Amino acid sequence: DAGVIQSPRHEVTEMGQEVTLRCKPISGHDYLFWYRQTMMRGLELLIYFNNNVPIDDSGMPEDRFSAKMPNASFSTLKIQPSEPRDSAVYFCASRFSGEISDTQYFGPGTRLTVL
Amino acid sequence: DAKTTQPPSMDCAEGRAANLPCNHSTISGNEYVYWYRQIHSQGPQYIIHGLKNNETNEMASLIITEDRKSSTLILPHATLRDTAVYYCIVRFSSGGSYIPTFGRGTSLIVHP
Repeated sequence: DAGVIQSPRHEVTEMGQEVTLRCKPISGHDYLFWYRQTMMRGLELLIYFNNNVPIDDSGMPEDRFSAKMPNASFSTLKIQPSEPRDSAVYFCASRFSGEISDTQYFGPGTRLTVL
Repeated sequence: DAKTTQPPSMDCAEGRAANLPCNHSTISGNEYVYWYRQIHSQGPQYIIHGLKNNETNEMASLIITEDRKSSTLILPHATLRDTAVYYCIVRFSSGGSYIPTFGRGTSLIVHP
């Protein structure tokens, strides 16, 4: 398996623009997580899905952020409109609930810069 | 989930053992100890986990004290590539509405 795939790897945009981050989880995994990482706040959980259904989005900063998972193999995190304080590395992770170790597998991340 | 306390940074000479401590004094009986690490610019990577017994795999060893209030991750022969931030997490295992909290971790620097 190729692991968790994220795209783009780097995104530079201007304030006010819409940004869409994409994630393909590992095939067969039933949990998907979106994280954000900054120097100030560390690694924060934004939202997670179980079987494509959003379970907890309490970590989503505000209404400008939205996430969808239309099927088991694809998820998006959208920021509209983007602001400079959204600059961060965004990680997607997936997990299979039947795995004994209950491990999360992380993607390489998307480094977002909002000017 | 129980809170964990880790030193913010440590260093280790290449080839020597790196011993990373973690305090989890409020751990409950059915909570596991997990360790992840994050190499610069990459996503966190699972290392090892345990409940009561010491565990060993190809990456590291995990020593959990008898009262389970603390644990130590051991990298037996640290290499430069082990330079990373190491996260100790205590949580219930096996699915459910688990929400992981990574904290700040320990920044390990392995020097030549």
